[in-house]
Amino acid sequence: EVQLVESGGGLVQPGGSLRLSCAASGFTFSSYWMHWVRQAPGKGLVWVSRINSDGSSTSYADSVKGRFTISRDNAKNTLYLQMNSLRAEDTAVYYCARVNRAEQLVPAGYYYYMDVWGKGTTVTVSS
Amino acid sequence: SSELTQDPAVSVALGQTVRITCQGDSLRSYYASWYQQKPGQAPVLVIYGKNNRPSGIPDRFSGSSSGNTASLTITGAQAEDEADYYCNSRDSSGNPCLVFGGGTKLTVL
Repeated sequence: EVQLVESGGGLVQPGGSLRLSCAASGFTFSSYWMHWVRQAPGKGLVWVSRINSDGSSTSYADSVKGRFTISRDNAKNTLYLQMNSLRAEDTAVYYCARVNRAEQLVPAGYYYYMDVWGKGTTVTVSS
Repeated sequence: SSELTQDPAVSVALGQTVRITCQGDSLRSYYASWYQQKPGQAPVLVIYGKNNRPSGIPDRFSGSSSGNTASLTITGAQAEDEADYYCNSRDSSGNPCLVFGGGTKLTVL
């Protein structure tokens, strides 16, 4: 069974750090780009970060750039999100998601879609 | 603010057809994908690309696109379709970053 399981969430004080993990199983983890998405209480989904299949390329939302670091260990089939300098507005459920890249012909290029999601892990930033 | 715009709420009578729309400049260049999220659950992919459904998604769900607007249509809405729906696409910069719409709460009456 294809599965993603997040862990590492919890209560942390403002300015603190937390590392989230996402354990993958049931598929060839090293073949896929992976993303983190978060959802604040009662709010919508927000894209956070992505990493390519071998970990050589990453991108971040402006709201977390310079504070969060995405990484992966393909030998351990695990995705990570290191979160530093946490703020109250980082409070959210954090989901990891497997991403597929597909070619489109008109207009030419590639689009992405998230076909497998974990159940999420909750991060609460509060004093 | 989101680069993709969705109506916050839409309602449909049981068994009728409803269209949920998503607008944004990036949709002129890239296909959207659509996700269903029920309370307390993770999102589920329902439509991706031109009009593709993952295995297990009922064929009453379909997608289309025109200009800067992507649409998710549910033909013959069921009570279990009541959920939040989010569109998602690459951002307008062309980088491999993604952006979500603000979400549409679908109520089945």
